[in-house]
Amino acid sequence: DSGVTQTPKHLITATGQRVTLRCSPRSGDLSVYWYQQSLDQGLQFLIQYYNGEERAKGNILERFSAQQFPDLHSELNLSSLELGDSALYFCASRGTGSGANVLTFGAGSRLTVL
Amino acid sequence: TQLLEQSPQFLSIQEGENLTVYCNSSSVFSSLQWYRQEPGEGPVLLVTVVTGGEVKKLKRLTFQFGDARKDSSLHITAAQTGDTGLYLCAGTNTGFQKLVFGTGTRLLVSP
Repeated sequence: DSGVTQTPKHLITATGQRVTLRCSPRSGDLSVYWYQQSLDQGLQFLIQYYNGEERAKGNILERFSAQQFPDLHSELNLSSLELGDSALYFCASRGTGSGANVLTFGAGSRLTVL
Repeated sequence: TQLLEQSPQFLSIQEGENLTVYCNSSSVFSSLQWYRQEPGEGPVLLVTVVTGGEVKKLKRLTFQFGDARKDSSLHITAAQTGDTGLYLCAGTNTGFQKLVFGTGTRLLVSP
């Protein structure tokens, strides 16, 4: 157990629908990163939050949005889903101090869009 | 956009063989990391290299950061079946605001 919790683990939905993926970072970590991993591809950076504020944006579609709440958990919202959105979505949190350059990943949420 | 290309994409070897995975970019990174990912799990950090020319060893794994901080390599000596997995390099700049991952190398070590 990495300490980063992602729910749900698996999600099957239809095109056009909207889903929310949830991430709880490790205790004490203020930064949350979201990544998308499609089949046979590397991880694509989507977005980063630090203590509730957006800090960096990657290749995140306009149909996707995220936020980090005061309790530091984060949610990734995916709307108007398309077949191509089927992927593993990973959340990672980053520590502070000596752990500031370490990303700890959750086990991921596997999204299947039919 | 910073891109990290890894080679080879796939590698299938026998237990006991040596192998090298390469990670190349046209961009300079302040630090470079290597992760290993197993099926059904998130990537797990293996090492961070921050100085050009730096070499780090973790048991049978040797990591090198290029002098110009644009490339890196991972060498595994006497591979074991437990080394099987997806190896990912990742680069970041000062502030660690965006960790960019490489294309990945899928390694299969057979007994």
